[in-house]
Amino acid sequence: GAVVSQHPSWVICKSGTSVKIECRSLDFQATTMFWYRQFPKQSLMLMATSNEGSKATYEQGVEKDKFLINHASLTLSTLTVTSAHPEDSSFYICSARIVGANVLTFGAGSRLTVL
Amino acid sequence: AQSVTQLGSHVSVSEGALVLLRCNYSSSVPPYLFWYVQYPNQGLQLLLKYTSAATLVKGINGFEAEFKKSETSFHLTKPSAHMSDAAEYFCAVIPAGSSNTGKLIFGQGTTLQVKP
Repeated sequence: GAVVSQHPSWVICKSGTSVKIECRSLDFQATTMFWYRQFPKQSLMLMATSNEGSKATYEQGVEKDKFLINHASLTLSTLTVTSAHPEDSSFYICSARIVGANVLTFGAGSRLTVL
Repeated sequence: AQSVTQLGSHVSVSEGALVLLRCNYSSSVPPYLFWYVQYPNQGLQLLLKYTSAATLVKGINGFEAEFKKSETSFHLTKPSAHMSDAAEYFCAVIPAGSSNTGKLIFGQGTTLQVKP
């Protein structure tokens, strides 16, 4: 079945540094990937839609300069949290859409802790 | 904006009892509806989906959900809870006009606790 891999699963960084999270579709091509953010005990909030070969579409209220998204290939999207601060600490989850199907496959998530 | 509302942020049942997790959607047009399960520190796993075919949808792990247009509901049920069902459950919808994108909007989530 379709598998989405996220890396790293855990990351701790110092305030002011940048962190990159990778989302890979392992056995299928994904022209569209989605990035979600989840705070403890809360739901998933869609941050942006990542389109292969074009600019990401950000949801209202999400800073595009803060959360840089690159979807350079059909199997890889990256989320870079720039100049991270403690309030950016969260669980980030990506998902990928199988072409032609309205089903998303989710990665296992990446927990970011900013000290 | 189209959304889903999950009634009850926390549901507790005894092992072997019926599980009922509620979800209502806001839409004048039947949308695509989904139920996902999330175990601690993990991503989401699809339980089942409604895509305008049969109104009673059967999913994995013995779960099923019934789409009721008159009630704008898509409640998730399981006849007999198992300890391994303890997790966070999310109802989700693909907003109207976004069916080609796969963009999902999630409900607030319901934590299911199963007591021995």
